[in-house]
Amino acid sequence: GENVGLHLPTLSVQEGDNSIINCAYSNSASDYFIWYKQESGKGPQFIIDIRSNMDKRQGQRVTVLLNKTVKHLSLQIAATQPGDSAVYFCAEIPHLAAGNKLTFGGGTRVLVKP
Amino acid sequence: DTEVTQTPKHLVMGMTNKKSLKCEQHMGHRAMYWYKQKAKKPPELMFVYSYEKLSINESVPSRFSPECPNSSLLNLHLHALQPEDSALYLCASSQGTVSGANVLTFGAGSRLTVL
Repeated sequence: GENVGLHLPTLSVQEGDNSIINCAYSNSASDYFIWYKQESGKGPQFIIDIRSNMDKRQGQRVTVLLNKTVKHLSLQIAATQPGDSAVYFCAEIPHLAAGNKLTFGGGTRVLVKP
Repeated sequence: DTEVTQTPKHLVMGMTNKKSLKCEQHMGHRAMYWYKQKAKKPPELMFVYSYEKLSINESVPSRFSPECPNSSLLNLHLHALQPEDSALYLCASSQGTVSGANVLTFGAGSRLTVL
């Protein structure tokens, strides 16, 4: 998702359904990508990461897909639960060898409906 | 201990005040970070310390002054701030910065209001 003015893009999903959150990045040379989850009143929390030499990585209930051709990253959450309601940020590190300059994308708010 | 602890949680200050934000971690991490986050926006990198030395300064105004007294502590000294500096200030730490992929662990943030 992209940040649009003062409003975060919002994804409403029914509890138990799968969620897909999208992120476009601009730097084709980025080495490393991370998805973070931020709940209200808390700092960002690591969900899953992926290096640029991979196109898919799976965790517990989450899958990250990387399409370097179109510079697109997505996060899939299986069987979405109320506790998944949060803002999700993709983040990238342009060049690992240049230090941890982690840069965040715009964020997408996920609202889980009971 | 797998946490990054930030104090205070909330801070209200006037434009002529001098205050400090504090951050502490006991995970043995050697890199520490300050990010600024405005409402409904992503966190923006301000400073990176690697092995207690400032390695990245993202052209932050001098009214923000970071300090890393030791590998577990990171401070952000504030002086003569402007109302537009009101934001959530996030501290993070990671094992290192240049050895490869390093996941940042974030604190809950210090919410700053400048009157």
